[in-house]
Amino acid sequence: DADVTQTPRNRITKTGKRIMLECSQTKGHDRMYWYRQDPGLGLRLIYYSFDVKDINKGEISDGYSVSRQAQAKFSLSLESAIPNQTALYFCATSDGLLGNEQFFGPGTRLTVL
Amino acid sequence: RKEVEQDPGPFNVPEGATVAFNCTYSNSASQSFFWYRQDCRKEPKLLMSVYSSGNEDGRFTAQLNRASQYISLLIRDSKLSDSATYLCVVGQGYKYIFGTGTRLKVLA
Repeated sequence: DADVTQTPRNRITKTGKRIMLECSQTKGHDRMYWYRQDPGLGLRLIYYSFDVKDINKGEISDGYSVSRQAQAKFSLSLESAIPNQTALYFCATSDGLLGNEQFFGPGTRLTVL
Repeated sequence: RKEVEQDPGPFNVPEGATVAFNCTYSNSASQSFFWYRQDCRKEPKLLMSVYSSGNEDGRFTAQLNRASQYISLLIRDSKLSDSATYLCVVGQGYKYIFGTGTRLKVLA
């Protein structure tokens, strides 16, 4: 079984709809991240969390919110989706130790019409 | 100026060739360095961490030059299966800064 899972894997929705993307991990990591990836722009950080009580905005948090329901679960919400939020969304985890890498979920492809 | 810069490519090389990618970063306080591999529409996966002393993993060699603030990846004896996008990633505390990636196509 994958260590970091994301649901749904694909979603098509309409402008103005509320969408939630979910991420779960079995790695026991405290740190969890949400990124979006757009062609030519690389991965950009939306939100990150160091533990259940610690949520922080990344570089592009406008239009998004998150919830850390447990150490293993980190959800990303689009309160009112707009077409320029069409992108590939990745959840990632890390153990926070210097020099250690991030582990990524398989991604959610979101299309907002 | 982007914090992490890579040549987007594509690099089209024949099987068996040696290919090298470079990546530059702007923040001299960066603490950790990685190369990730990303296949089309899939998640990035760690290829290797990069250390100041350089490190090698089979056909792959990574090097870090802190003075010039660049990281390199050398792939020897390229295989068709090496075709992918290679992401340079720089760690700054809690943050991981991603380059936009370099696309490699290995041709039969």
